[in-house]
Amino acid sequence: SQQGEEDPQALSIQEGENATMNCSYKTSINNLQWYRQNSGRGLVHLILIRSNEREKHSGRLRVTLDTSKKSSSLLITASRAADTASYFCAEEGNKLVFGAGTILRVKS
Amino acid sequence: ETGVTQTPRHLVMGMTNKKSLKCEQHLGHNAMYWYKQSAKKPLELMFVYNFKEQTENNSVPSRFSPECPNSSHLFLHLHTLQPEDSALYLCASSQEQNQPQHFGDGTRLSIL
Repeated sequence: SQQGEEDPQALSIQEGENATMNCSYKTSINNLQWYRQNSGRGLVHLILIRSNEREKHSGRLRVTLDTSKKSSSLLITASRAADTASYFCAEEGNKLVFGAGTILRVKS
Repeated sequence: ETGVTQTPRHLVMGMTNKKSLKCEQHLGHNAMYWYKQSAKKPLELMFVYNFKEQTENNSVPSRFSPECPNSSHLFLHLHTLQPEDSALYLCASSQEQNQPQHFGDGTRLSIL
């Protein structure tokens, strides 16, 4: 199966703490994308990291990619209650394949 | 607003009914997608259209029939569905196939 796996499945933290979510994938990729999904809504694209990049930043988001380990991580710094959502990685090969997601809950 | 609108937002239907889900994108994108999202399962890609041509059918049962009349509109025609088809159906679009996708808020489908 191409589908990646996120770790942990669920994460609960206090507002202001950092949240780290990991993604492992099985095949060679062109790029890896991260998405967020708020309850009852569609997915929102957060960031894309190319296979030749090792780290990328966007605001409070930091994504790393290790192609030798076929893994990626998403770090959200100084979390807020509004960051409560599900987060998905999507491996981009000849098609986009989503992982099962990490449910993040930020308590205020 | 994401620029992708799905209607209806909720749909309850019996197994013998025929209904259609509609998706419209206002982003000028060339690729459109249907996904199925069930509880505790990864997002499942169903169909992909690129420049109005179907480029992917991910072994979807024939009781789901997609239609893409133009690059802005995508339909999913439903007939003789099963209870296990109850899920959130998401539409997405992207400028080109496999580029970052913009999602609608989905249609929550319940099969009685």
